[in-house]
Amino acid sequence: DTGVSQDPRHKITKRGQNVTFRCDPISEHNRLYWYRQTLGQGPEFLTYFQNEAQLEKSRLLSDRFSAERPKGSFSTLEIQRTEQGDSAMYLCASSLASLGNEQFFGPGTRLTVL
Amino acid sequence: DAKTTQPPSMDCAEGRAANLPCNHSTISGNEYVYWYRQIHSQGPQYIIHGLKNNETNEMASLIITEDRKSSTLILPHATLRDTAVYYCIVRADSGGSNYKLTFGKGTLLTVNP
Repeated sequence: DTGVSQDPRHKITKRGQNVTFRCDPISEHNRLYWYRQTLGQGPEFLTYFQNEAQLEKSRLLSDRFSAERPKGSFSTLEIQRTEQGDSAMYLCASSLASLGNEQFFGPGTRLTVL
Repeated sequence: DAKTTQPPSMDCAEGRAANLPCNHSTISGNEYVYWYRQIHSQGPQYIIHGLKNNETNEMASLIITEDRKSSTLILPHATLRDTAVYYCIVRADSGGSNYKLTFGKGTLLTVNP
């Protein structure tokens, strides 16, 4: 399977715990994006990387959130001191950094904070 | 990015054409119209995009009005597997804003047997 993969697919945690999600993009894609989707809403942009550089962060990304893409391949999204409002689907996408190239999305990680 | 307006839901009979409208009256000259869909519990999937001319691929056709203020996504022979939320997005493909997609709530298309 050469699509975008995310791990884990589901995560249940208690409020206050830290969680980390992983995204493996399509291998030749140099752009990687994180989105968050709550129930009944469309995905909302969080941040994106071109290679290993994080070039944009949404205001939705509070100080408790950190994303990395250390070698320009896979990426991790960490949420510290989780809150119930963090419960959502976290989606990763990748693309080539060329005009008009579509973003390919992974299946997402569903986070439930109890 | 310009804002889009879509009906919250639509129904279609299996085998018939599904025509999904989208209004984007404030679209700028360098903004493309993109369509994605999201089947339940999956990530969004790219369908098609266009600037001015009508476009067709193996999944769908995109009809953009001459003034570019609205568009219609056409699924020519809808199947039950086409039941999904369909998102119409306008995005500039130049400058620094061509990296993110701004999703609205989309249209839930239900294909009925």
